[in-house]
Amino acid sequence: AQKVTQAQTEISVVEKEDVTLDCVYETRDTTYYLFWYKQPPSGELVFLIRRNSFDEQNEISGRYSWNFQKSTSSFNFTITASQVVDSAVYFCALSEASGSNYQLIWGAGTKLIIKP
Amino acid sequence: DAGVTQSPTHLIKTRGQHVTLRCSPISGHKSVSWYQQVLGQGPQFIFQYYEKEERGRGNFPDRFSARQFPNYSSELNVNALLLGDSALYLCASSFRRQDGNQPQHFGDGTRLSIL
Repeated sequence: AQKVTQAQTEISVVEKEDVTLDCVYETRDTTYYLFWYKQPPSGELVFLIRRNSFDEQNEISGRYSWNFQKSTSSFNFTITASQVVDSAVYFCALSEASGSNYQLIWGAGTKLIIKP
Repeated sequence: DAGVTQSPTHLIKTRGQHVTLRCSPISGHKSVSWYQQVLGQGPQFIFQYYEKEERGRGNFPDRFSARQFPNYSSELNVNALLLGDSALYLCASSFRRQDGNQPQHFGDGTRLSIL
């Protein structure tokens, strides 16, 4: 069965520090998709990135970067030079192409606190 | 362009009542999905609708139902409310039917409290 684990419940760092959020997933499918979403206190889930299982290239977008490693079933998210506005709950999610519902399976989220 | 809009923002009900939550997708989006997010947890999938038909259902009791209208807006109905139904209900839209690959665009949610 598919599963997403975000072992870090809460992380607190001082502004400008780098921080990595871990995501480990389980799936039996060879074709699947991984996502990261940000949920600020307002509640809206904001899409950050999508990665398919055949693309292991790491991606960088400004201060954000993602490290996808199939060998360890991990899809970690790093924020460089963190800012107070990065404070939010971050969710990692998995979708399997063969699933009938095509639903997203979500991790429990990591609450990131950036202190000024 | 307007994003996904949900109404109401907050709602307080008592046990046994029923509730209707509404969602308007992004203009041009034909797929709407509903999620329940209990405090401190990730969202749980409830339903997906595409072209006015149910395309997917999560592990929720029959007290939960939904529908999609010709303009692609959607309603989520919950009957015989229980205390455990207290949660943030999120609506998400995407242009095509969810094939697992598309990012979904979420609304701000409706926070439902059951007393």
